[in-house]
Amino acid sequence: QKEVEQNSGPLSVPEGAIASLNCTYSDRGSQSFFWYRQYSGKSPELIMFIYSNGDKEDGRFTAQLNKASQYVSLLIRDSQPSDSATYLCAAGGGATNKLIFGTGTLLAVQP
Amino acid sequence: DTAVSQTPKYLVTQMGNDKSIKCEQNLGHNTMYWYKQDSKKFLKIMFSYNNKELIINETVPNRFSPKSPDKAHLNLHINSLELGDSAVYFCASSRGLAGGPRDTQYFGPGTRLTVL
Repeated sequence: QKEVEQNSGPLSVPEGAIASLNCTYSDRGSQSFFWYRQYSGKSPELIMFIYSNGDKEDGRFTAQLNKASQYVSLLIRDSQPSDSATYLCAAGGGATNKLIFGTGTLLAVQP
Repeated sequence: DTAVSQTPKYLVTQMGNDKSIKCEQNLGHNTMYWYKQDSKKFLKIMFSYNNKELIINETVPNRFSPKSPDKAHLNLHINSLELGDSAVYFCASSRGLAGGPRDTQYFGPGTRLTVL
């Protein structure tokens, strides 16, 4: 079992729709969760972090954390073609004291 | 001002050569990292230094040797390059300890290494 799992996609959504990206993690001791966006040929760029159960909103982005289910999600409202990228989920603060990344979900927003 | 910078951006070399990648951060962070991202986009930690001290040393070949002359710089030297070393290598930095609670990592632009 991978430590952080994401559906590789591609997840295709029409412009203006809500994109929902999901991630599960295996280390129950993980305390911090991050979403990074990576455009093709570029470096990962931090989008959001979340530490507590529930929702955290920042502009068009909402991160959701459910520690009981070991589940993290990222919602992107009013998706734009410029949101098309790979979204990497990462979990930190667990037993290994490392930031563990998932393999990413490729999001394609169709104009 | 670039927060985390790496040189070179591209590196093309022959098998068996030795090469180095350099990283610098001007964020005042205490911890720096090297990650390898393979063709399937999987980003894996290789090494981490906190205030010039090696704190994460993953199972990587001995041909890879990191060096941190000060807390703002972290270099990666690779000996006897192999085809399988071809990947993108990212440097990152964070304020606190690696993977610690609430410790956010910021990435450099990456170095694309191609071994022929």
